[in-house]
Amino acid sequence: GQQLNQSPQSMFIQEGEDVSMNCTSSSIFNTWLWYKQDPGEGPVLLIALYKAGELTSNGRLTAQFGTTRKDSFLNISASIPSDVGIYFCAGLFSGNTPLVFGKGTRLSVIA
Amino acid sequence: DGGITQSPKYLFRKEGQNVTLSCEQNLNHDAMYWYRQDPGQGLRLIYYSQIVNDFQKGDIAEGYSVSREKKESFPLTVTSAQKNPTAFYLCASSIDYQPQHFGDGTRLSIL
Repeated sequence: GQQLNQSPQSMFIQEGEDVSMNCTSSSIFNTWLWYKQDPGEGPVLLIALYKAGELTSNGRLTAQFGTTRKDSFLNISASIPSDVGIYFCAGLFSGNTPLVFGKGTRLSVIA
Repeated sequence: DGGITQSPKYLFRKEGQNVTLSCEQNLNHDAMYWYRQDPGQGLRLIYYSQIVNDFQKGDIAEGYSVSREKKESFPLTVTSAQKNPTAFYLCASSIDYQPQHFGDGTRLSIL
């Protein structure tokens, strides 16, 4: 099955630094989603993007839906220790169809 | 509160044994999904169901079976034909064009 190309695979950053990660696809999506997963738990939705070019913020998080509809990025500003976890991008073609996921970016924050 | 409940949290399977993972949602969502997560592999789709009494295979359906007799419930059976069942299993649900919401997962191990 298709998977998105998500990078980087892992990041080690100092507390207070900004973080950037992205996802690319060979296919067009109508919706891009970003999830965060803490150890032993299910992914939690952070941001949903529904229109090409859309830029959406959720607190210190900002995500954009690429204009080609084949990519998306997520930025985290002024990272804090609780940002640690795995971040997944996901693309959705339409309606109640399965998501296509990236392999995740594992974020570690050094205090 | 509405949500998705997966049980049990931890499950152990003996060789040659079938085990069933429970997923219940009270969100009135039409669609439900099962994913398997292995370290570094992201989420891979096992089965999904868009409506009661109907379901489709995902990318890695071999060795698994599901049923969707009620809107709220989508149990997953890991059969003895699944030779490498050790993984973290996640259930999700969605409605219309809204993002999927996930349960907290079941970790399956082999005795």
